[in-house]
Amino acid sequence: EDQVTQSPEALRLQEGESSSLNCSYTVSGLRGLFWYRQDPGKGPEFLFTLYSAGEEKEKERLKATLTKKESFLHITAPKPEDSATYLCASPNTGFQKLVFGTGTRLLVSP
Amino acid sequence: EADIYQTPRYLVIGTGKKITLECSQTMGHDKMYWYQQDPGMELHLIHYSYGVNSTEKGDLSSESTVSRIRTEHFPLTLESARPSHTSQYLCASSGDRGYNSPLHFGNGTRLTVT
Repeated sequence: EDQVTQSPEALRLQEGESSSLNCSYTVSGLRGLFWYRQDPGKGPEFLFTLYSAGEEKEKERLKATLTKKESFLHITAPKPEDSATYLCASPNTGFQKLVFGTGTRLLVSP
Repeated sequence: EADIYQTPRYLVIGTGKKITLECSQTMGHDKMYWYQQDPGMELHLIHYSYGVNSTEKGDLSSESTVSRIRTEHFPLTLESARPSHTSQYLCASSGDRGYNSPLHFGNGTRLTVT
């Protein structure tokens, strides 16, 4: 069964304390791995798409990487405004829909 | 700023009422989607459309229906609301570059059925 699993469920960091979020997937024949950011009361906002193992993409303090079985979202020197839920998703094997993980709730304290 | 708009943002209604959640996008996207999201849970696809007059059911059993008469408009209707329909409903759209095209989400409608 196609699955996307994120860990940890929640992460609390001090401002400036770097860390990584994990997204593992069991979709056959990966056709892209998406990262989204969701703020409370809002819809998810697109961050990155990764297509092949070894690919990396960066945006401000965020860097997403992809291997054959998982993706990492690295957060370098986070700020309180980085606090949000981060979701990852991948198209399912039949390429009909996106399968989402349950997200990692990140809280960055000043 | 989101180019996909959902109304209302919040709705509290009684059991048995008929409701329509509105979704409009200004990006000219052919593909549109409705997702349901409960706290701490993954997004579940309930309906999608590949274009005008195209509608498909997603993987979540739903008592809702959708229509796509115009490219920009994709309303979702519940004929008889129940407390089990209490949830957040998110509308999204994507461009024509296959399924690798990122989804653009609206800010959702939070529905409470009493």
